[in-house]
Amino acid sequence: QKEVEQNSGPLSVPEGAIASLNCTYSDRGSQSFFWYRQYSGKSPELIMFIYSNGDKEDGRFTAQLNKASQYVSLLIRDSQPSDSATYLCAGSSNQFYFGTGTSLTVIP
Amino acid sequence: GAGVSQSPSNKVTEKGKDVELRCDPISGHTALYWYRQRLGQGLEFLIYFQGNSAPDKSGLPSDRFSAERTGESVSTLTIQRTQQEDSAVYLCASSLGLAGGQYFGPGTRLTVL
Repeated sequence: QKEVEQNSGPLSVPEGAIASLNCTYSDRGSQSFFWYRQYSGKSPELIMFIYSNGDKEDGRFTAQLNKASQYVSLLIRDSQPSDSATYLCAGSSNQFYFGTGTSLTVIP
Repeated sequence: GAGVSQSPSNKVTEKGKDVELRCDPISGHTALYWYRQRLGQGLEFLIYFQGNSAPDKSGLPSDRFSAERTGESVSTLTIQRTQQEDSAVYLCASSLGLAGGQYFGPGTRLTVL
């Protein structure tokens, strides 16, 4: 059973701080990883994907992948109250699988 | 460009009735997925299509649930003899291929009275 594990939280950070969201995965054959943001009452929105070891930056978001440790993370710099949402980690090899999500609250 | 669309956005039905939910994927996306999300819960995988075929139906909760896809485009999810526990948001997503990122539609909120 391919799966990803996420701390369900809730994670609270003050506005302007760095929020760190973490995910571990079980399938070493997984090649691609994705981060989704889901606001309450809305559908998930793809915000980042990463295929290679290392860091990938997009604006205030940085995705990190460590295939040796089977670890994926998402860093949100200068967190804003509008970043408050549930963040879902997902992986894919020959099938796609989602984690259960981490709830993030950014406190003004 | 057009994203994934779903209809209806809301559906209220009586227990025992059949419902049909529709998904229009992004044009050119060969993979299409259906998920269920109950209030406050995570995504529950139901079924996916690669083209018009459904290699993995393992997530369908019971034989009351079925889905089809025609022309590598529109998909319908049918729930027969609805039960109150079927109440949830049903989400559709599509991707270029099985390994690609999925793009979600706005969902259909189903309420079974």
